[in-house]
Parts: sequence; C-alpha cells; structure tokens
Amino acid sequence: DSGVTQTPKHLITATGQRVTLRCSPRSGDLSVYWYQQSLDQGLQFLIQYYNGEERAKGNILERFSAQQFPDLHSELNLSSLELGDSALYFCASTLGGWSADTQYFGPGTRLTVL
Amino acid sequence: GENVEQHPSTLSVQEGDSAVIKCTYSDSASNYFPWYKQELGKRPQLIIDIRSNVGEKKDQRIAVTLNKTAKHFSLHITETQPEDSAVYFCAASRNSGGSNYKLTFGKGTLLTVNP
Repeated sequence: DSGVTQTPKHLITATGQRVTLRCSPRSGDLSVYWYQQSLDQGLQFLIQYYNGEERAKGNILERFSAQQFPDLHSELNLSSLELGDSALYFCASTLGGWSADTQYFGPGTRLTVL
Repeated sequence: GENVEQHPSTLSVQEGDSAVIKCTYSDSASNYFPWYKQELGKRPQLIIDIRSNVGEKKDQRIAVTLNKTAKHFSLHITETQPEDSAVYFCAASRNSGGSNYKLTFGKGTLLTVNP
C-alpha cells in the first residue's frame, strides 16, 4: 500500500457525460500528479498540482480539468466524455514539487465510457 | 520534449535466468531514471531508481545501469522468479533551475517468467 488513495475504483458512464475522480496523497506529500493509462498510449502525464497550485501540464485535453484543495486532495474532472477516454487513471504523490522526487502511485480508477 | 524508447516490448525467460530491459532517452539534461513494476490491474510500483551522478545501482536481484554519454539505461533482473512476471516501465525526468519537467515513461515491457 503506497498510502495514496483514489476513488472510485471503477466508473462506468456514457458518452457526453461528466465524471469526477478523486485522489488523496500520502500524508505529508504536497504534490499530486495525474496520469492516464491506455493500452496503446502507455502512461501519459496529464497535470501536476503542488500545494494547491498548478505546477506542470502534460497532454491534458481541454475537456479535462483538475484542482487541488486546501486539504491537498485533488480531483480530476472529465467532461463531454468520449469512447476514447476509457482508460485507467492514476494519481501519484510526492513530498516536494519536483517530478524527479519519488512518485508513489494510487490504485487507480478504471473509467469505462459506453 | 523528452522521448523515452523501451525495448523489448515483450520478454519471456525461464525461471532462474536473467532478464534485461533497455531504455533510451532523448533529453541529455535528464537526471532521474526510475523503474516501475506493474502487475495486471494494479498500480505501478517503484522498484529501483538511479540519478545521473551514479552509473550503477543494485538492490538484491535488481540492478540498473546508466550510460549518460549514450543516453541509455537498463534494468537487470537476475535469478528471475515467476512473481517477477509483470509489465516494467522505465521513465526519465529532469529538474533544471526553477523549472519542473514531467516524468516521461517508456511504453513498457511485458516480462513473463516461465516456471
């Protein structure tokens, strides 16, 4: 157990809908990273938050957004869902704000868009 | 941006044999190279990492080597066991001055250890 938690574990929804994924970092960690993992694209970095502020951005679609709250948990919002958004979504956390700090991954949320 | 290539995409070995997975990276300023193991349906778990100030690091049956000149790094697993079967990902990142750069992953290697 990495200490990073994610909810829900599974999510099944329809095209055009909006969902929210939640991540709680390890105790004491200030940074949260979001990744998308699909079969053909591997692990793709989406976005990073550090102590409530956006720190780095990857290949995140405009339909996706995220935020980090004062208690340091983070939410990833996915809207206007398409079939291709079906994937495993992982968050990871680090103590500091650097991607070269050791990243600890949560158990993931499996999103299925029908 | 950084590009990480990983080979082979699949690797099958007999129990007790060694396994080697290789990665190359494009950004010469990258200075952090972790390896993650991911079992089916589970989270990626860090198994070993190396920073650019060292050329080799070992942890029991696992070792990682780094060649900064050639921009490649490798994972070596000795005396493989069936529980080593998983997908292994390499990654690369750098921190430079006040900037933070993302961790870029290779596409993964499916390792199968046959009993």
